[in-house]
Amino acid sequence: GENVGLHLPTLSVQEGDNSIINCAYSNSASDYFIWYKQESGKGPQFIIDIRSNMDKRQGQRVTVLLNKTVKHLSLQIAATQPGDSAVYFCAENVSNQGGKLIFGQGTELSVKP
Amino acid sequence: GAGVSQSPSNKVTEKGKDVELRCDPISGHTALYWYRQSLGQGLEFLIYFQGNSAPDKSGLPSDRFSAERTGGSVSTLTIQRTQQEDSAVYLCASSAGYPEGDEQYFGPGTRLTVT
Repeated sequence: GENVGLHLPTLSVQEGDNSIINCAYSNSASDYFIWYKQESGKGPQFIIDIRSNMDKRQGQRVTVLLNKTVKHLSLQIAATQPGDSAVYFCAENVSNQGGKLIFGQGTELSVKP
Repeated sequence: GAGVSQSPSNKVTEKGKDVELRCDPISGHTALYWYRQSLGQGLEFLIYFQGNSAPDKSGLPSDRFSAERTGGSVSTLTIQRTQQEDSAVYLCASSAGYPEGDEQYFGPGTRLTVT
């Protein structure tokens, strides 16, 4: 059917502030999680990943937190920049079911200069 | 280096016609994935190839959809008798190989519009 009327969750932040994007995942058997950034007209770009034996992982300006108890994942972006404006997707994988990823709905991040 | 490429970038077709979408993965990548993204939505898994193993077709929405991967490299996604609900962006990704969810690199996608 058509998807008319669907709106992505949006997050608007001021340049220089920290951003937190949240994701609830569905499958308690998932053991690998990834955050992707998608700019308009482009394919998703890998940001950071985390496996289920960890609860926190840090990259450059980004941190991913995993709470398996409540099946929640978050992406923190420090000192957000206008170039961070994009749609952010979380994805989950069950390692014994091959490499296919199950994606969340996405959150649109808008950074105001 | 060259990333994942897809062609065409845009395709407009009439309802009922067949279409073929092409994906060239990163050289040496053994795993190849097709996803579909409808407007304002997340990506929906369609099919997954890993080396010489039988593909995982569990995400294909109907028997009008099929995909091939020749010589372990280029892949073609075919949609027969297209319907308006097939309109979406079709994304291809490749990775160095399973196991366990190693990083998937995405192409720019093919935007399919069925009129």
